[in-house]
Amino acid sequence: QLVQSGPEVKKSGASLTVSCKASGYTFSGFYIHWVRQAPGQGLEWMGWINPQSGATNYADKFQGRVTLTRDTSTSTVHMNLTRVRPDDTAVYYCARDVNWRLDPWGQGTLVTVSS
Amino acid sequence: QSALTQPASLSGSPGQSITISCTGTSSDVGSYTFVSWYQQHPGKVPKVIIYEDNKRPSGVSNRFSGSKSGNTASLTISGLRAEDEADYYCLSYTRTSTRVIFGGGTKLTVL
Repeated sequence: QLVQSGPEVKKSGASLTVSCKASGYTFSGFYIHWVRQAPGQGLEWMGWINPQSGATNYADKFQGRVTLTRDTSTSTVHMNLTRVRPDDTAVYYCARDVNWRLDPWGQGTLVTVSS
Repeated sequence: QSALTQPASLSGSPGQSITISCTGTSSDVGSYTFVSWYQQHPGKVPKVIIYEDNKRPSGVSNRFSGSKSGNTASLTISGLRAEDEADYYCLSYTRTSTRVIFGGGTKLTVL
């Protein structure tokens, strides 16, 4: 399963880190994706990380603002988003990539950004 | 990258069948890659219901089926039930498998 860190409240311009701890499977064996969902909106893919190598790939929209890292000693992936804005207010999810599908998902982390 | 195109909303009566389309391009849906579908009830975490275009995870009702032709993937729900009322999203990898794209989502209402 994937268990995410708790809700966050940030001011515009701050940086944000959300964590995703994996358990019950071989951490290094599966990519982890990050997806966000703004209030009343659809799902938006942010990027993935290969926990084995640390290689990452980000959606164009988040290039330069998002960084995914992993800690293999704790089977945890961290998503760092810099220079947050009110429109970054969303629920952020991590999800495991298993044979071309995302399963399971973390429980989601609500991030609220105020101006 | 633009989101894959889905109808914003659909509705159907209990017992009916509905089909949700998901249209992309030759660089994603129409490329040598797979489409998956996710169901999301309000306030809940998305759940995969179809993967590799047409496979169902264990525990998912056989009322859900998927297909793909060219640049369009489809999700069909037969024998609609009240509990099928949810948002549905398609997901595709890009041709090079380095990126992921979601559909805009379809809100299904069971009348």
